[in-house]
Amino acid sequence: EIVLTQSPGTLSLSPGERATLSCRASQSLSSTYLAWYQQKPGQAPRLLIYDISNRATGIPDRFSGSGSGTDFTLTISRLEPEDLAVYYCQQYNYSPWTFGQGTKVEIK
Amino acid sequence: EVQLVESGGGLVKPGGSLRLSCAASGFTFSSYTMNWVRQAPGKGLEWLSSIDSSSFYIYYTDSVKGRFTISRDNAKNSLYLQMNSLRAEDTAVYYCAKNRGDYHGSGSPDLWGQGTLVTVSS
Repeated sequence: EIVLTQSPGTLSLSPGERATLSCRASQSLSSTYLAWYQQKPGQAPRLLIYDISNRATGIPDRFSGSGSGTDFTLTISRLEPEDLAVYYCQQYNYSPWTFGQGTKVEIK
Repeated sequence: EVQLVESGGGLVKPGGSLRLSCAASGFTFSSYTMNWVRQAPGKGLEWLSSIDSSSFYIYYTDSVKGRFTISRDNAKNSLYLQMNSLRAEDTAVYYCAKNRGDYHGSGSPDLWGQGTLVTVSS
């Protein structure tokens, strides 16, 4: 099973700042099958990024994904108050699909 | 409206059974691989099972293999999860989630239901 480790656990930033979230896989994904989700309090997850860097429908361009092999990054270029959420990465190349433990983004 | 609506959650005793349902609307249900994903209280996401459009390819995570059964009825636009031999650690919100397609590599769900809570307790 591929283990995804996200860092930091919590990120506290001010509106307008840049947020950089990391996701590290226990082995190379050998593919582009890495996604990012946003989960706001009390809500279901929402797909942000799929295939490492493709934004899902309706996702603003201040969200971007990058990386390869074992190291992946979600960047929020200019934080907005509504970005308060937990962000999860997920790999879907190897069964069982696995998620990272999440990074909580707090807005100062 | 494009949506998934789960039902069937509730309180069940350890060792008991429960059947979850997910009603799909607003898209061609029979064209997509579907999944169940759960989230224990205050915890992260755990993928449980997926089923392709024809019910030919079915996968489970080890923790539920042999206890849970995923199925679908394309005529009724519905997805199901039969859960047997439930344990306290199965307590979670259970989400139904739609893949982006019906092929390997489409497994980043782009539509999620609101979830249904399953509580396993005596």
